[in-house]
Amino acid sequence: AQSVTQLGSHVSVSEGALVLLRCNYSSSVPPYLFWYVQYPNQGLQLLLKYTSAATLVKGINGFEAEFKKSETSFHLTKPSAHMSDAAEYFCAVSERSSASKIIFGSGTRLSIRP
Amino acid sequence: DAGVTQSPTHLIKTRGQQVTLRCSPKSGHDTVSWYQQALGQGPQFIFQYYEEEERQRGNFPDRFSGHQFPNYSSELNVNALLLGDSALYLCASSVQGTHGYTFGSGTRLTVV
Repeated sequence: AQSVTQLGSHVSVSEGALVLLRCNYSSSVPPYLFWYVQYPNQGLQLLLKYTSAATLVKGINGFEAEFKKSETSFHLTKPSAHMSDAAEYFCAVSERSSASKIIFGSGTRLSIRP
Repeated sequence: DAGVTQSPTHLIKTRGQQVTLRCSPKSGHDTVSWYQQALGQGPQFIFQYYEEEERQRGNFPDRFSGHQFPNYSSELNVNALLLGDSALYLCASSVQGTHGYTFGSGTRLTVV
């Protein structure tokens, strides 16, 4: 069965500092991988998606993630944090079949210190 | 172009009651998935509808049921509500065969 593990339920960084949110996945076959962001009282917004092309995936708002098969990881990074990045971030995995569901991690809350 | 629309945005129900949540998918999308997100947790997959049939189901009891209409909109029904059913219910739409999911803002259900 597929699953994702997000390391760290809460990450706090200073404004302008590097953001690193960790995600490890478990899958018997190469999966699709996603990062979503959720602002308070809102739904989920897709940041980026890995579908087997380039291993370094660039997303919206300056975020990017690198797929590392050997480490079964898909960590999310941003070079310089902004106050507006404060939100809940979810890593997710999906099988490549046509009707596959998305399996989400438990989330990481990102706080930005002024 | 409207995204995914969910209604109502909030509602409060009493234990034992029944509730119906509604979802209108993004224009051009034909598949609807429902997720339950308890406070402080990640969304959990409930089920997915395509061509008016339930195609996949997560680990949820039969109290949770759904329906998809010819216009691709969908309903989620929960019977015999429990306090533990209190959560944010998210609807996601997509085109079958793709993995481009668009999420709605959710319905916040509180069971008292």
